[in-house]
Amino acid sequence: GAVVSQHPSRVICKSGTSVKIECRSLDFQATTMFWYRQFPKKSLMLMATSNEGSKATYEQGVEKDKFLINHASLTLSTLTVTSAHPEDSSFYICSASSTGFMAYEQYFGPGTRLTVT
Amino acid sequence: AQSVAQPEDQVNVAEGNPLTVKCTYSVSGNPYLFWYVQYPNRGLQFLLKYITGDNLVKGSYGFEAEFNKSQTSFHLKKPSALVSDSALYFCAVRVPTFSGGYNKLIFGAGTRLAVHP
Repeated sequence: GAVVSQHPSRVICKSGTSVKIECRSLDFQATTMFWYRQFPKKSLMLMATSNEGSKATYEQGVEKDKFLINHASLTLSTLTVTSAHPEDSSFYICSASSTGFMAYEQYFGPGTRLTVT
Repeated sequence: AQSVAQPEDQVNVAEGNPLTVKCTYSVSGNPYLFWYVQYPNRGLQFLLKYITGDNLVKGSYGFEAEFNKSQTSFHLKKPSALVSDSALYFCAVRVPTFSGGYNKLIFGAGTRLAVHP
């Protein structure tokens, strides 16, 4: 149980275009989803926290207008990188959490490798 | 400030030998501690957690970790390493989010474990 998927696994886009990454909880209802960014050989940097049906809470230094997060249902959150630039190239990982017996755990998706050319 | 430290960038161990990956934390209140493993180009996989109770926590794939409150440590251990254990390991601590939520994770920098045949 507690499976989280991400789509796509890899995406290449041209500079100036936008790209959407989906994060789905497949077998549980995720009241909270998290979006992380990971640079090569580095730790995970939390970008934002989103609760279903409400606006995302962004970490300091993360541009809200550039990284649009939507958490419209209990099983789906999306991250849209708007007007992407090469410096946005990174590995983006989502995680999902829920109340109840899994309240202290986050379950992570497999990640999405974004390359902006 | 709440933080997690993994003092070793890399740990090398021979197959069959015991391994230890170190983690220390700084957090106000009772710590909720986690270990995750990441294989190349993959998301994070949950290994084990400490919430309360027995200081020795057993997790997946034969790993265990010992919570030491006086030393503020949560070192990951395995009695006999396998080549397949080679991966990137992250220690994390749960802290409240700025919005008052309950399960934001702060990650250590990660330790690369290399198990040699």
